[in-house]
Amino acid sequence: SQKIEQNSEALNIQEGKTATLTCNYTNYSPAYLQWYRQDPGRGPVFLLLIRENEKEKRKERLKVTFDTTLKQSLFHITASQPADSATYLCALDPYSGYSTLTFGKGTMLLVSP
Amino acid sequence: DVKVTQSSRYLVKRTGEKVFLECVQDMDHENMFWYRQDPGLGLRLIYFSYDVKMKEKGDIPEGYSVSREKKERFSLILESASTNQTSMYLCASLMGAGANVLTFGAGSRLTVL
Repeated sequence: SQKIEQNSEALNIQEGKTATLTCNYTNYSPAYLQWYRQDPGRGPVFLLLIRENEKEKRKERLKVTFDTTLKQSLFHITASQPADSATYLCALDPYSGYSTLTFGKGTMLLVSP
Repeated sequence: DVKVTQSSRYLVKRTGEKVFLECVQDMDHENMFWYRQDPGLGLRLIYFSYDVKMKEKGDIPEGYSVSREKKERFSLILESASTNQTSMYLCASLMGAGANVLTFGAGSRLTVL
């Protein structure tokens, strides 16, 4: 069965450092991989997506990589700030017909001043 | 910006009560979704709808039903609430052509006593 894994342990880093979050998957061939941010008590908010034929995507301080051979995506936040503290979810998107996203359980990021 | 509005942010109900969770989106999207989110289990899809009066079961439809009488409104119904339905419920709308990027509502925190 399809499996998507994100590190369940919170990632603690210091302000100004680069945060790197990992998303691994098995038994799946997504056309896209998406990343969402979720603050406590709120709904997830879409951040970035990367296509299967793209290696890397950037948006301001965010960078996502996608390795379909390793079946892994890395999500980087450079020059992290306390305001970046949140839970980050990855989602696999098959983009075929009436398909739906498969979400990971998320990794909490804590950026301390 | 797309807005997905969930009418109730917090609800407290008793076991056996019928519960309605309402969701409205303002961007004429065809696709709408209901998820529940629980600690350690992540986001799980309950039901989704690709058009008015159409509905599809997600991964955990048992104990729930849905209604889509108008394009902008997607309701989740708990016919007889049980304590194991205490959860955060999230409604989402699909952004449109291309990747399946979701816009989520703020969530409805339901407690069943």
